[in-house]
Amino acid sequence: SQTIHQWPATLVQPVGSPLSLECTVEGTSNPNLYWYRQAAGRGLQLLFYSVGIGQISSEVPQNLSASRPQDRQFILSSKKLLLSDSGFYLCAWNLDGNTIYFGEGSWLTVV
Amino acid sequence: AQSVTQPDIHITVSEGASLELRCNYSYGATPYLFWYVQSPGQGLQLLLKYFSGDTLVQGIKGFEAEFKRSQSSFNLRKPSVHWSDAAEYFCAVGPANNAGNMLTFGGGTRLMVKP
Repeated sequence: SQTIHQWPATLVQPVGSPLSLECTVEGTSNPNLYWYRQAAGRGLQLLFYSVGIGQISSEVPQNLSASRPQDRQFILSSKKLLLSDSGFYLCAWNLDGNTIYFGEGSWLTVV
Repeated sequence: AQSVTQPDIHITVSEGASLELRCNYSYGATPYLFWYVQSPGQGLQLLLKYFSGDTLVQGIKGFEAEFKRSQSSFNLRKPSVHWSDAAEYFCAVGPANNAGNMLTFGGGTRLMVKP
């Protein structure tokens, strides 16, 4: 069966510091991969999605970037964090035409 | 443009009472519809989905949802709520090809359960 993991689960970072959140999917090949953000008390916002290695689409302009160095690996990064980057980040995956499944989430607090 | 509205931001019900969470959508074609549940500090778990066929779909944890095309609704129901159902619930709508980048989520409904 397929599983998705993301880490770290919790992160407290100072303003201006870099960020790296990692997500991996196991048990499938060539998945579509997604990064969502969930700010406090708000719904889900799609940040990035990828349909293949090296293929990244950005949904909203922001201080973040994403990369897909391997088929089942998706990384969310920032060179310099802002206070507004705080939130709950969710990685997700699906195969074409199928349901999206989510990881456990990563709490980011920028201080 | 597609949109999803969950009119109730918060709902409180007593344990053992019935539950209905509302979801209204706006979509130009035949939608795929989903309900997800999120426990505090956790990711989203799929409760159920509707793609086609029987408009009453059964999900996990005793939940069901009914697709009503004429009302553009996909309300989630449970006949008897348990304290462990306290969580946030998200309705989502997407295209028939289920392109993930086109999935739209509602703002969520936070369910609290009184003992």
